[in-house]
Amino acid sequence: NAGVTQTPKFRILKIGQSMTLQCTQDMNHNYMYWYRQDPGMGLKLIYYSVGAGITDKGEVPNGYNVSRSTTEDFPLRLELAAPSQTSVYFCASRVERGEQFFGPGTRLTVL
Amino acid sequence: QKEVEQNSGPLSVPEGAIASLNCTYSDRVSQSFFWYRQYSGKSPELIMSIYSNGDKEDGRFTAQLNKASQYVSLLIRDSQPSDSATYLCAVNIGTAGNKLTFGGGTRVLVKP
Repeated sequence: NAGVTQTPKFRILKIGQSMTLQCTQDMNHNYMYWYRQDPGMGLKLIYYSVGAGITDKGEVPNGYNVSRSTTEDFPLRLELAAPSQTSVYFCASRVERGEQFFGPGTRLTVL
Repeated sequence: QKEVEQNSGPLSVPEGAIASLNCTYSDRVSQSFFWYRQYSGKSPELIMSIYSNGDKEDGRFTAQLNKASQYVSLLIRDSQPSDSATYLCAVNIGTAGNKLTFGGGTRVLVKP
């Protein structure tokens, strides 16, 4: 199993541009998550999904959108990128009440 | 009060000593507890999971859970420089199984 994979690994955006961060898991996990982590700080939940077609906001959803059309994929969309969205983004997946597995992360810089 | 609290550290430990990390949580009915290790620039990786009161040992790591007092701890025995990292406590708050709540992490420095 590849586990949780994320693309791209690195990306530089200009202010106002948009992009989609890809996340795929091959463990058949129902639950998937997007976090951001600013330097020296903890994880902040952006959005999560408990199954295909079901998504919900976390603590910092503004400026982001998600969709979950399949069990495997959970893309995160950034619209109108701002410098405040410079961060490392982690995708994760788990089964209910189980261990959570993280992807390797996407390092995003908005200039 | 934060739902999951950890001392941010840094916790400085001599090589070969025991590192003791603590985590408190707010909801008495929480049932699933996890410790993650995160090296700088890397993603969190699971070290231990614990679901019942008491101790759980895995190699040099021991997780301890006390639901009555609402804390979970992690002991690292025979600490090595490679254990230098940030350790995140995660709790499935309440009875819903939909998401983990993470503490802010404790930074551990093991000095040779």
